[in-house]
Amino acid sequence: KAGVTQTPRYLIKTRGQQVTLSCSPISGHRSVSWYQQTPGQGLQFLFEYFSETQRNKGNFPGRFSGRQFSNSRSEMNVSTLELGDSALYLCASSARPGANVLTFGAGSRLTVL
Amino acid sequence: DQQVKQNSPSLSVQEGRISILNCDYTNSMFDYFLWYKKYPAEGPTFLISISSIKDKNEDGRFTVFLNKSAKHLSLHIVPSQPGDSAVYFCAASGWSGAGSYQLTFGKGTKLSVIP
Repeated sequence: KAGVTQTPRYLIKTRGQQVTLSCSPISGHRSVSWYQQTPGQGLQFLFEYFSETQRNKGNFPGRFSGRQFSNSRSEMNVSTLELGDSALYLCASSARPGANVLTFGAGSRLTVL
Repeated sequence: DQQVKQNSPSLSVQEGRISILNCDYTNSMFDYFLWYKKYPAEGPTFLISISSIKDKNEDGRFTVFLNKSAKHLSLHIVPSQPGDSAVYFCAASGWSGAGSYQLTFGKGTKLSVIP
């Protein structure tokens, strides 16, 4: 079966712009989590969605937001981009919320200039 | 305040020898631990896990050891192969207090296995 699909894979934005990233989970998986990976901080949890509801949120500013649709696809949005937002954004899916074994997508590499 | 720490950013090992990757945690409420492996341009993939009620779990060449009193776990790879070269993330699971369990990851250790 198809894995977790993230689009776009690469994108470049300038400071102050906003960006929307998309994630399609494995078929049948209803929980989607988002992580930010940077060299200095490793993998940091952004938020988790299940059945279109945000179940959990990490310690990120309100510029970071997300949503989940009825087909379990999820989007995350970052507004007023800062240089420090440059990172690999990873989406992971699981059948239930709070699962330990996650299936990750390949990520969206965001560069903010 | 980092609750899961991988203090070695990188590790180089000769092919055929043992690789030992270490991880420390501070939150005593963590009750399940995992290792994920990540190759460049790919997402992390689950490798092996251990419950807090055990002190060892083995899967082929990979063994994870847990020392609860020291809040320390380690991943042993024997024998190491060039294909094991990747970034390894330690992760711990605990109740987030917000209605579900949550995984907390370390910063990762880049393993290079030299042929």
